Amino acid sequence: DGGITQSPKYLFRKEGQNVTLSCEQNLNHDAMYWYRQDPGQGLRLIYYSQIVNDFQKGDIAEGYSVSREKKESFPLTVTSAQKNPTAFYLCASRFQGHNSPLHFGNGTRLTVT
Amino acid sequence: GDSVTQMEGPVTLSEEAFLTINCTYTATGYPSLFWYVQYPGEGLQLLLKATKADDKGSNKGFEATYRKETTSFHLEKGSVQVSDSAVYFCALVGQGAQKLVFGQGTRLTINP
Repeated sequence: DGGITQSPKYLFRKEGQNVTLSCEQNLNHDAMYWYRQDPGQGLRLIYYSQIVNDFQKGDIAEGYSVSREKKESFPLTVTSAQKNPTAFYLCASRFQGHNSPLHFGNGTRLTVT
Repeated sequence: GDSVTQMEGPVTLSEEAFLTINCTYTATGYPSLFWYVQYPGEGLQLLLKATKADDKGSNKGFEATYRKETTSFHLEKGSVQVSDSAVYFCALVGQGAQKLVFGQGTRLTINP
């Protein structure tokens, strides 16, 4: 079955450590996205990528970094510069094109103490 | 820029009640419109979509009609179930846009 796989589902880190969240899709989608969701809040866009080896900052990119070396993969690194990294992180992908919806993974809950 | 406004929650209903969650938008041209549902601890799932004016999206008893004249895309269901308890997000993507714009989400709780 095609889909988006995020791993791990739960991640715990100590403050000051960088951590990388995995996102893989086998839907052959062109574009991939990372969102952050805080409790009871909506979605905020961190980074997105339309094609391999290219990506753009979203609304809250500070303290995060990404890479897009393969079409299927879009890992997100939460760096020690991110002031409030504890959150639920959602990866999504879609085809290019006006009518194409986003497809989401099941998320990674990151807790930094 | 483009924006989506959803009715504020939380919304609490009894089982078999009629549901409406309001969604209005601001966008130039003809955006595509979506409703997503998020169950606790999970990602968002596409519930339905509409891509042009007067289109009606429907799925699992939920419906929404793309109203260009009122810039609205209200979600409705005739008889809700406990299993419909979730957070619902309205979203749009503008013509030529690369990013979806989401509303803030509406938390729905259905009591038996």
